[in-house]
Amino acid sequence: AQRVTQPEKLLSVFKGAPVELKCNYSYSGSPELFWYVQYSRQRLQLLLRHISRESIKGFTADLNKGETSFHLKKPFAQEEDSAMYYCALSGGYSGAGSYQLTFGKGTKLSVIP
Amino acid sequence: NAGVTQTPKFQVLKTGQSMTLQCAQDMNHNSMYWYRQDPGMGLRLIYYSASEGTTDKGEVPNGYNVSRLNKREFSLRLESAAPSQTSVYFCASSASGSVNTDTQYFGPGTRLTVL
Repeated sequence: AQRVTQPEKLLSVFKGAPVELKCNYSYSGSPELFWYVQYSRQRLQLLLRHISRESIKGFTADLNKGETSFHLKKPFAQEEDSAMYYCALSGGYSGAGSYQLTFGKGTKLSVIP
Repeated sequence: NAGVTQTPKFQVLKTGQSMTLQCAQDMNHNSMYWYRQDPGMGLRLIYYSASEGTTDKGEVPNGYNVSRLNKREFSLRLESAAPSQTSVYFCASSASGSVNTDTQYFGPGTRLTVL
């Protein structure tokens, strides 16, 4: 079974401070990992995926297979980063060409001015 | 290009009533999904449809039924609503291409309260 754990329900940081949102996963195969974000009054949207190895809005995430982690990091937090962040895992194909995402419970990031 | 749309935005039901949540996408996606979001629980998959004509159970299917009406539309039905089904419901769609590049696009959600 696949599982995603986000140990922090709420994370508060000051503007300009570094941010690290933790995500650990459990999966026996080779997973795809994602971070989704939900800003206030907006839709849930993809922030980044590990396969792209990209930085989006200053955020990066590295897949550490040894520690089964995919922590989201940003060196300097901004007020507009305040949102709900969800780590998600895809275990590959299920059904006819589709795949399922397993989400963590989410971490609410609050950036204090 | 509206993306994923959901109706209604809000709904209040009494225990035992039935209702259908509607979802449509205009991105020509093959796969569609229904999630529920509860405080402290994150998003949990209810049902999904890998392609038109197919549906499969997700993590929490009990008490729900779905219909993939056509490629654009995927509805979620509560036959006999219960207070435990009070939640925010999200519909999503994806192209269902490569697992490395596929992205799920979400609708705005339906906030359902069952009294």
